[in-house]
Amino acid sequence: EAQVTQNPRYLITVTGKKLTVTCSQNMNHEYMSWYRQDPGLGLRQIYYSMNVEVTDKGDVPEGYKVSRKEKRNFPLILESPSPNQTSLYFCASSPFPGQGQETQYFGPGTRLLVL
Amino acid sequence: EDQVTQSPEALRLQEGESSSLNCSYTVSGLRGLFWYRQDPGKGPEFLFTLYSAGEEKEKERLKATLTKKESFLHITAPKPEDSATYLCAVHGGSAAGNKLTFGGGTRVLVKP
Repeated sequence: EAQVTQNPRYLITVTGKKLTVTCSQNMNHEYMSWYRQDPGLGLRQIYYSMNVEVTDKGDVPEGYKVSRKEKRNFPLILESPSPNQTSLYFCASSPFPGQGQETQYFGPGTRLLVL
Repeated sequence: EDQVTQSPEALRLQEGESSSLNCSYTVSGLRGLFWYRQDPGKGPEFLFTLYSAGEEKEKERLKATLTKKESFLHITAPKPEDSATYLCAVHGGSAAGNKLTFGGGTRVLVKP
């Protein structure tokens, strides 16, 4: 089954404790991205990657890092989480690198609470 | 900077009562406009991509249309299972790289 998986699904942590949210897709997609979703602000893109070793900033990259060492994986790293990073996070992937965005498949989401 | 505004924020419909959702956008060269459906607690589910003014796409009771400044998602004779939040997003011009900008969404509730 074609899918995007994220782990963990729920995470409670404390300010400053480094964490990683993993994302994996089994569709051989080139394009992957991370979003955060907050009430009243909608979905905002954090980072995206057009291919292995190619990443770029979205609209809200501050406080986040990503890496793309393998085509299927695109982890999101919070080096020093702060309470304003409490949010619902989605990973997504797409099969069309040229167009980049068509038919994006989203993961189930990771709900993060930073105390 | 690309901007996307969706209206209304919320829409309550009776089953069978057709309606339209609006997505207004400002981009420097549209490369694609996307509609998604999102159910509570789940990731968005892709519905349509539109590329140029005048283009239309249909899927069951949903029909998406595109003009140079806005897109509409028409829901014909909705059923309760059409209740969801509908999201619109744009892929702007080359200056935007490959970023995707989302609107705030329209929450649709269809009552039986």
